Amino acid sequence: DAGVIQSPRHEVTEMGQEVTLRCKPISGHDYLFWYRQTMMRGLELLIYFNNNVPIDDSGMPEDRFSAKMPNASFSTLKIQPSEPRDSAVYFCASSLTGGYGYTFGSGTRLTVV
Amino acid sequence: GENVEQHPSTLSVQEGDSAVIKCTYSDSASNYFPWYKQELGKRPQLIIDIRSNVGEKKDQRIAVTLNKTAKHFSLHITETQPEDSAVYFCAAAPGPGTYKYIFGTGTRLKVLA
Repeated sequence: DAGVIQSPRHEVTEMGQEVTLRCKPISGHDYLFWYRQTMMRGLELLIYFNNNVPIDDSGMPEDRFSAKMPNASFSTLKIQPSEPRDSAVYFCASSLTGGYGYTFGSGTRLTVV
Repeated sequence: GENVEQHPSTLSVQEGDSAVIKCTYSDSASNYFPWYKQELGKRPQLIIDIRSNVGEKKDQRIAVTLNKTAKHFSLHITETQPEDSAVYFCAAAPGPGTYKYIFGTGTRLKVLA
């Protein structure tokens, strides 16, 4: 299994630009989670999906952030417009009903200048 | 909501010594406690977990203990090796992989050769 695949690995963008992060969960996993990691705030859950349906988006910081999961093998996290304080590592993780623990992707390091 | 506190934030030990990292949680409904290891620039990886109906779990050099009454759990690493150097995160959740985890702030462990 290739694991959870995220792209891009690194993204540098200018303030005000739209950023789209992508995630492919492990095949067969029915839960998908988006986390953000910063030195100041640690690992924060942004949103998670079950069977492609958003279950809890209470961690999404503001309307500039949106996430979609059009099918079982693909999810996106979009930031529009981006701001310097959005700079962080964004992790996607997936898990299986009845399973234990998440499997994280390699993350996307976002830098907004 | 759930709040997880983790101590210490940094820990240095001599190679071969033991390391202990402690976490406390606030929500008595939490019953699943995973531990993740994150090496520099890498993804968090699950190293051990424990459910609330178990007081202790071991896997080779690592062990986790849980005190539900006091709402705290600990990670124990024995015979530490340089490759154990990483950031360790505890988490609490109302259930295993299908629930959102609330993570502690992390402990940076340095094993000195």
